Amino acid sequence: DAGVIQSPRHEVTEMGQEVTLRCKPISGHDYLFWYRQTMMRGLELLIYFNNNVPIDDSGMPEDRFSAKMPNASFSTLKIQPSEPRDSAVYFCASSFSGGRAREKLFFGSGTQLSVL
Amino acid sequence: KQEVTQIPAALSVPEGENLVLNCSFTDSAIYNLQWFRQDPGKGLTSLLLIQSSQREQTSGRLNASLDKSSGRSTLYIAASQPGDSATYLCAVRGNAGNMLTFGGGTRLMVKP
Repeated sequence: DAGVIQSPRHEVTEMGQEVTLRCKPISGHDYLFWYRQTMMRGLELLIYFNNNVPIDDSGMPEDRFSAKMPNASFSTLKIQPSEPRDSAVYFCASSFSGGRAREKLFFGSGTQLSVL
Repeated sequence: KQEVTQIPAALSVPEGENLVLNCSFTDSAIYNLQWFRQDPGKGLTSLLLIQSSQREQTSGRLNASLDKSSGRSTLYIAASQPGDSATYLCAVRGNAGNMLTFGGGTRLMVKP
């Protein structure tokens, strides 16, 4: 398996623009997580899904952020409108609740977002 | 609210040394604990996962221990190598939900 795939790797946009980050989890994984990493706040969980259903979105900073998982192989995180303080690395991760590697979290390479 | 702390924030050692990274957490009611490695500009790689009922896990030169009652975990790296240079993060999962709380990480540099 190719692992968790995120796109784009880098995104530079202007304040007020819409940003969409994409994630393809590992095939067969039933959990998907979106994290944000900054120097000041470290890694923060934004939202996670189980079997494509959002379970906890309490980490989503505000209504400008939304996430969807239309099927088991694809998820998006959207920011509209974007602001400079949204600049961070956004990670997608997935895990499987069964098997020998149960609950080990596998991360994508991240999307480096810069909002000017 | 669970808080996870890693001390020191940075560590520099000569190659070949055995070293210990520390992780402490405030709420001992955890489901499991994971240690991750992060290389610059990359995502996190899970190194070891310890269930709450376990006391340690080993993988090659790495050994992670868990003392739930005292809210502590250590990651022991034997015979360190320059390739071990990275940031190491620990994360705990509570008993409710499937959410990890991460520590701030320890940035390790192993000098040749």
